[in-house]
Amino acid sequence: AQSVAQPEDQVNVAEGNPLTVKCTYSVSGNPYLFWYVQYPNRGLQFLLKYITGDNLVKGSYGFEAEFNKSQTSFHLKKPSALVSDSALYFCAVRELQDNYGQNFVFGPGTRLSVLP
Amino acid sequence: GAGVSQSPSNKVTEKGKDVELRCDPISGHTALYWYRQSLGQGLEFLIYFQGNSAPDKSGLPSDRFSAERTGGSVSTLTIQRTQQEDSAVYLCASSLFSRSGETQYFGPGTRLLVL
Repeated sequence: AQSVAQPEDQVNVAEGNPLTVKCTYSVSGNPYLFWYVQYPNRGLQFLLKYITGDNLVKGSYGFEAEFNKSQTSFHLKKPSALVSDSALYFCAVRELQDNYGQNFVFGPGTRLSVLP
Repeated sequence: GAGVSQSPSNKVTEKGKDVELRCDPISGHTALYWYRQSLGQGLEFLIYFQGNSAPDKSGLPSDRFSAERTGGSVSTLTIQRTQQEDSAVYLCASSLFSRSGETQYFGPGTRLLVL
């Protein structure tokens, strides 16, 4: 069965500095990987996903993530953090299925605080 | 509609009462998912629909939980004889199909409080 780990409960970064939110995964086959963001009292918003192709994926709001198969990681990055990026970030994995896929497996979430 | 909508946005109920939560997926989306998010916790998968059928009910916590979907659109999640541990935010998501690469789009959630 697939699983996702986000090793940091909380990440603090100063505005303007680069940020990284870590994610590692475990699947038996090929993974599909997703990042979602949740702002306070809001639902989850899709940021980006890796399906196949280029290992560096660019998404919304200037975020990007790099798929690293050997390290089974999919870390979320942004070159210059904004205070408005402060939110809860979820990594999710879904395993490639021959048949239609089923549920996502979400990580526990990482709270990002960008300090002015 | 433009996005996934859920109602009510907030629900306060007494222990032992039944509640119904509603989800309207994005028009044309065939797959629909229910998740639960407890305070400070990640997302817990509950159930998934492809059309009106539910191939995967493995996440339902107990037989007090049930869900249905009619007309391939609206879904309702019903919790019978609610308990305080049912208090959480219930999130609904939909995707065009249920294939693995499809993006799920989430609604704003229903915040349930059981007193």
